[in-house]
Amino acid sequence: IQLTQSPSSLAASVRDRVTITCRASQDISTYLNWYQQQPGQAPKLLIYDASRLQSGVPSRFSGSRSGTDFTLTISNLQPEDFATYYCQQTYISPPSFGQGTKLEI
Amino acid sequence: QALLQESGPGLVKPSQTLNLVCTVSGGSISRGGYYWGWIRQRPGKGLEWIGYRYYNGETFYNPSLKSRITILADTSKNQFSLKLTSVTAADTAFYFCARTVTGGASPIDSWGPGTLVTVSS
Repeated sequence: IQLTQSPSSLAASVRDRVTITCRASQDISTYLNWYQQQPGQAPKLLIYDASRLQSGVPSRFSGSRSGTDFTLTISNLQPEDFATYYCQQTYISPPSFGQGTKLEI
Repeated sequence: QALLQESGPGLVKPSQTLNLVCTVSGGSISRGGYYWGWIRQRPGKGLEWIGYRYYNGETFYNPSLKSRITILADTSKNQFSLKLTSVTAADTAFYFCARTVTGGASPIDSWGPGTLVTVSS
């Protein structure tokens, strides 16, 4: 299954609202997760099952699904949100990741 | 969440075997509910799922690497390991050990900090 993230990079400002899209090449139901990766660190789980917020993750992060299109929305951007974001599908093995979206100031 | 830590050589020669160990604290690899496995990331690139192991010994590997991978567990030490044979420069990457939740979208909820393995003579 191919996951295509858009955009590949995105420039925004603190307090902005941004949206990152992940399009699956076929139906994957809600088997979609979102991760945030800061430079030099391991990824961190933000959203699982397409729209469920991982414990401890700020509520300004949200996820949604429309068919094979999945969206990660970050409201009220904070300085610590500038990072790279990946989607991951686990509907069909092997699990696979999108190519990433780099969110820059 | 569990704490995971990778260990192993940072440099491996071409054609040799890469061996990494992941030590787990705050969770037992002998109990169900989670898979224990590995993900890698070539420098500056995206994430690639390698494989994982369940507490009952069942393993799941990425078909692109399956012929070269073995994931084992040492339950007495609460550790699991990755063996990747016949390495080439293309296997140079950051290797992360990780815990995957069973059920639902099987998210990876705990990651080690990662370790860089360079394949070079």
